[in-house]
Amino acid sequence: GENVEQHPSTLSVQEGDSAVIKCTYSDSASNYFPWYKQELGKGPQLIIDIRSNVGEKKDQRIAVTLNKTAKHFSLHITETQPEDSAVYFCAASKGAYSGAGSYQLTFGKGTKLSVIP
Amino acid sequence: DSGVTQTPKHLITATGQRVTLRCSPRSGDLSVYWYQQSLDQGLQFLIQYYNGEERAKGNILERFSAQQFPDLHSELNLSSLELGDSALYFCASSVGGREEKLFFGSGTQLSVL
Repeated sequence: GENVEQHPSTLSVQEGDSAVIKCTYSDSASNYFPWYKQELGKGPQLIIDIRSNVGEKKDQRIAVTLNKTAKHFSLHITETQPEDSAVYFCAASKGAYSGAGSYQLTFGKGTKLSVIP
Repeated sequence: DSGVTQTPKHLITATGQRVTLRCSPRSGDLSVYWYQQSLDQGLQFLIQYYNGEERAKGNILERFSAQQFPDLHSELNLSSLELGDSALYFCASSVGGREEKLFFGSGTQLSVL
């Protein structure tokens, strides 16, 4: 099955600096790569996602890059703010199969990001 | 607020007992997924239902079972509980079909004593 490795497990940055979290996946058939942010006491929240036919996607201060050949993808957060402090999870899935979707995600172990004011 | 509702938020029980976790998906979502989150294993996919039918199975123990009802809410039943079953259980929902975005509830924290 799919295996997703995520690094680093913890990351501390100064407010205003950039943060980068990296993930690798094992199954070359995976084609959908979302990133989730989990705040304390809450469920994971989708913040950005990318499909395998796209190399990069941006949404304001957040960007994700994908290298299919190397089977790795990264989350970039620029101009970090204290409210960015949370646990971030990468995930991978093979997308839909035969009709109704089965988007079971394989998650990385998470990165605890701390933004120091 | 994701629109996915999970109850109860916290559950404390003893080994050997049985509990039921409940999930109401977002309005219009046909798929429900259950995930288990623990410190050592991270987020593990358990099972998915689509419009009342089981669609995919992950690392779900035989002591665990789930179902999705006609009104699309879902229940996860955990029986013969062990200490190691203590974890945060999340429900997520998606539209189904070609929609891949999952929306997670706030979870049920299960403590087995």
